[in-house]
Amino acid sequence: AQTVTQSQPEMSVQEAETVTLSCTYDTSENNYYLFWYKQPPSRQMILVIRQEAYKQQNATENRFSVNFQKAAKSFSLKISDSQLGDTAMYFCAFMDNNAGNMLTFGGGTRLMVKP
Amino acid sequence: NAGVTQTPKFQVLKTGQSMTLQCAQDMNHNSMYWYRQDPGMGLRLIYYSASEGTTDKGEVPNGYNVSRLNKREFSLRLESAAPSQTSVYFCASNNPLGGYTFGSGTRLTVV
Repeated sequence: AQTVTQSQPEMSVQEAETVTLSCTYDTSENNYYLFWYKQPPSRQMILVIRQEAYKQQNATENRFSVNFQKAAKSFSLKISDSQLGDTAMYFCAFMDNNAGNMLTFGGGTRLMVKP
Repeated sequence: NAGVTQTPKFQVLKTGQSMTLQCAQDMNHNSMYWYRQDPGMGLRLIYYSASEGTTDKGEVPNGYNVSRLNKREFSLRLESAAPSQTSVYFCASNNPLGGYTFGSGTRLTVV
């Protein structure tokens, strides 16, 4: 079974600065997907970014980018130019596309962006 | 708007009562899922349905049953609610191109 670990329960960052959220995972699979989801106080789950394991290039979506280290099984999220609206819970998730496309989530990191 | 619709949004049950959480998606996705989220934790898979007519257990299936009524609908039933089932429940469907689409969640309290 896959496991996903987020070692930072809480983090804070000043508005306009950069913050990196950590995620490690454990799997014996070679083909999989990794995701970061944002959950604001509204509790809606919002996809931030995704990475296919077979792609070496790190995914980027506007101010959000990842550092995907496949050998180290690490998948960190960098948020640049942090905004107050980035305040939320962030969940790292793993999908093994050979197992019903189930998502396995980490425990989450609560991010507070301070003005 | 296309998406995943869950009902109800809030529910309070007494121990031993039963209820069904409804979920429908209009994106023609094959796979649908039910997760629960407990305070301070990530989501854990209860049951999933890879296609119409099939269902499988996830990580925490005890105390729940599911029905994949058709391609659009996937319901979750609590036959005899227990306080340990107090949680936020999310339904989701899988977009093969872009990950899951989640419903807005159901906050269930069992007293």
